Amino acid sequence: DQQVKQNSPSLSVQEGRISILNCDYTNSMFDYFLWYKKYPAEGPTFLISISSIKDKNEDGRFTVFLNKSAKHLSLHIVPSQPGDSAVYFCAASAVRGGSNYKLTFGKGTLLTVNP
Amino acid sequence: EPEVTQTPSHQVTQMGQEVILRCVPISNHLYFYWYRQILGQKVEFLVSFYNNEISEKSEIFDDQFSVERPDGSNFTLKIRSTKLEDSAMYFCASYAGLATDTQYFGPGTRLTVL
Repeated sequence: DQQVKQNSPSLSVQEGRISILNCDYTNSMFDYFLWYKKYPAEGPTFLISISSIKDKNEDGRFTVFLNKSAKHLSLHIVPSQPGDSAVYFCAASAVRGGSNYKLTFGKGTLLTVNP
Repeated sequence: EPEVTQTPSHQVTQMGQEVILRCVPISNHLYFYWYRQILGQKVEFLVSFYNNEISEKSEIFDDQFSVERPDGSNFTLKIRSTKLEDSAMYFCASYAGLATDTQYFGPGTRLTVL
């Protein structure tokens, strides 16, 4: 039951170029979407989020785009830096907050940024 | 910066034994979670906890699992009789309860059941 899908297990880009990580979802009840970054031996760290009422959210080098009709979101990192090398998880929730707030994760994409 | 902490970082146990995984959430947070990640698979929701009771649990969270907040600081996950398939990374998370906030994760406990 893959409600959140990240079809690319890995992505390799050159330093300074754009990294684009993709995520698709099937559950139309999802209303809030997040990206987490995970380094080895650490827990997932929140990166950026977007509500379903928006189609874009930007925070510094990171931008998340949401296409609700296609049930697709993407994370853009510009410019990419070697320190961005990590596993990136897409996550979704049907609610934003409250006692029913739980995250459904994708399998993750390993991003490698080469110097 | 406040963070979620978990102990131990790695727990090895024999099948059938009980284990308790411990978490100290961020101090002013109200909602607490356990997730797990089996090697090579996605992070999966196990249980959420609010106001000293379970809010929601997944189908994975059967009678062998229990959670407790014994002292207002720690948040524990107990597995009564471990199975080989319980081997996974277990992540604790906490959330302040504000609509603009998000879940903060601990570093995880790697559970190995032999």
